[in-house]
Amino acid sequence: AQSVSQHNHHVILSEAASLELGCNYSYGGTVNLFWYVQYPGQHLQLLLKYFSGDPLVKGIKGFEAEFIKSKFSFNLRKPSVQWSDTAEYFCAVNARFGNEKLTFGTGTRLTIIP
Amino acid sequence: DVKVTQSSRYLVKRTGEKVFLECVQDMDHENMFWYRQDPGLGLRLIYFSYDVKMKEKGDIPEGYSVSREKKERFSLILESASTNQTSMYLCASSLTGTGNYGYTFGSGTRLTVV
Repeated sequence: AQSVSQHNHHVILSEAASLELGCNYSYGGTVNLFWYVQYPGQHLQLLLKYFSGDPLVKGIKGFEAEFIKSKFSFNLRKPSVQWSDTAEYFCAVNARFGNEKLTFGTGTRLTIIP
Repeated sequence: DVKVTQSSRYLVKRTGEKVFLECVQDMDHENMFWYRQDPGLGLRLIYFSYDVKMKEKGDIPEGYSVSREKKERFSLILESASTNQTSMYLCASSLTGTGNYGYTFGSGTRLTVV
């Protein structure tokens, strides 16, 4: 079974700072990787996903993530955050050739100070 | 746009009541899921279904059951609600494929058991 670790539980940054949120997964086979975002009072939305090809994937709102297979990592980055990025961020993984079940990390709450 | 609609945004139920949470999706997705979201624990899978009348247990199925009589509708049932089932419940759906489509989530039902 797969598992996901997000070590940063709460991150506080000032506007224009750079962001990197850690995500590590545990699974012996080929995986698909996702980042979801939940803005205050809203439903979970897909931010970006990786399933094959270029390990650097770009998502919405200027976010990107890099899949490093040797480190079992899929860290989320943004060069310059905005106040509107305040949200909770979830990393998720599923097995490429398994069922559709997604396993989520515990989430990272991001607070941006204006 | 795919829509996943959860029938109630907020529910308050008494201990011991039988509770039904309803979820409907409008894009002919084969797969549907029920998660609960708790602070510090992220999203945990309760049950999922990959076809009508088919269901599989997730990571925390105890105290819950599900029903999928039609492709578009997936119901979560709390047979006898308890206070430790107070939580945010999220429904999601996805297409069957290589598992790389990601999920579409509903807005959630915040259930309080008193």
